[in-house]
Amino acid sequence: DAKTTQPPSMDCAEGRAANLPCNHSTISGNEYVYWYRQIHSQGPQYIIHGLKNNETNEMASLIITEDRKSSTLILPHATLRDTAVYYCIVRVRSPRNAGNNRKLIWGLGTSLAVNP
Amino acid sequence: DGGITQSPKYLFRKEGQNVTLSCEQNLNHDAMYWYRQDPGQGLRLIYYSQIVNDFQKGDIAEGYSVSREKKESFPLTVTSAQKNPTAFYLCASSSGQRVPLSEKLFFGSGTQLSVL
Repeated sequence: DAKTTQPPSMDCAEGRAANLPCNHSTISGNEYVYWYRQIHSQGPQYIIHGLKNNETNEMASLIITEDRKSSTLILPHATLRDTAVYYCIVRVRSPRNAGNNRKLIWGLGTSLAVNP
Repeated sequence: DGGITQSPKYLFRKEGQNVTLSCEQNLNHDAMYWYRQDPGQGLRLIYYSQIVNDFQKGDIAEGYSVSREKKESFPLTVTSAQKNPTAFYLCASSSGQRVPLSEKLFFGSGTQLSVL
């Protein structure tokens, strides 16, 4: 099964770039990498997703290595409101679900603290 | 504004009681999901529905039931058979039938269920 490994916590100074790493060494060739974040006591918020190429949107950039075994989410100018748990997730085949053999696996994520 | 509304924010259940968590979306999304989040664990899928009048069990469906009579609504009932119901419950929806849109999830703000 494709799973992800993330550091449990990171710190970042306000205004600096936050680089959050994720290891997904067993990812299959056609599986996307998704990033979400969750502010305390709220529902997760979608940030970005990618397959092979680097991606950028108004929230963040996603850098995926050429071998697709790892990726980095970049918040270019972190603010205090970016303090949250960041999840890097991939799809996993689930033999138990007939007709829908895939599901997203949510790990514990990285708790990012942006400091003033 | 379009989004997902979960209610109530906080809910208390007595022993042997069934309780129902509400989830409504006005995003015109076909798919809806229920997740459970416990401290120190990732999100776990309870049930999901890809279309009206159809739903599938997730990884931890025992002790829960759902219905999908309308596209906009996907209520979750926590039955008395669920012996450890205390958790943060999250409802989500997605627009697409295929990846990656099917895995770009929009979440509600969650319901914290506690046992009295």
